[in-house]
Amino acid sequence: EVQLVESGGGLVQPGRSMKLSCAASGFTFSSFPMAWVRQAPTKGLEWVATISTSGGSTYYRDSVKGRFTISRDNAKSTLYLQMNSLRSEDTATYYCTRAHWFAYWGQGTLVTVSS
Amino acid sequence: DIQMTQSPSLLSASVGDRVTINCKASQNINKYLNWYQQKLGEAPKLLIYNTNNLQTGIPSRFSGSGSGTDYTLTISSLQPEDFGTYFCFQHNSWPLTFGSGTKLEIK
Repeated sequence: EVQLVESGGGLVQPGRSMKLSCAASGFTFSSFPMAWVRQAPTKGLEWVATISTSGGSTYYRDSVKGRFTISRDNAKSTLYLQMNSLRSEDTATYYCTRAHWFAYWGQGTLVTVSS
Repeated sequence: DIQMTQSPSLLSASVGDRVTINCKASQNINKYLNWYQQKLGEAPKLLIYNTNNLQTGIPSRFSGSGSGTDYTLTISSLQPEDFGTYFCFQHNSWPLTFGSGTKLEIK
């Protein structure tokens, strides 16, 4: 069974950093691209970033480019999202998803950016 | 960026009704269109991928169609458990984009 479990969310002050993790199991992690999608409270879904199987290619939405870094450790079957210079508009639940047809999603981790 | 215009934003229907939700892309997305259902406090659940492929475990009352810029999700006979918010999602071009959602209420 495919499982994606996010962790690392919480309350953080504007301008600070936070790193999210997503532990994957039930499939060959290194064979699939992965992505992060977020959802602000009571709002719609917003794609954040995607990473290729090897990690050699990454893609970001404009509003996070230069601030967020998606990465992966295939040996640990873990996906990461390093978030720097956080803003209030980054407040959201962050979901990890397997980016092959975006079929499998984690339960999400809430990031709240507030002073 | 490709804009995904989803309609209607709110839909109220009765059990047994045939329901359709539409998504219009601002340019051709080559059928790389998914449909998701989301219930309060839960992650999105994939219903249909690449326009018309039913995800494993999803009831056959859900179907998808479309091409080019226009796509439709159909629920052939609405069931009580089908309430929730439905989103379309294009994964043809960067940045990947979602529709704004259709809230489906059961009368």
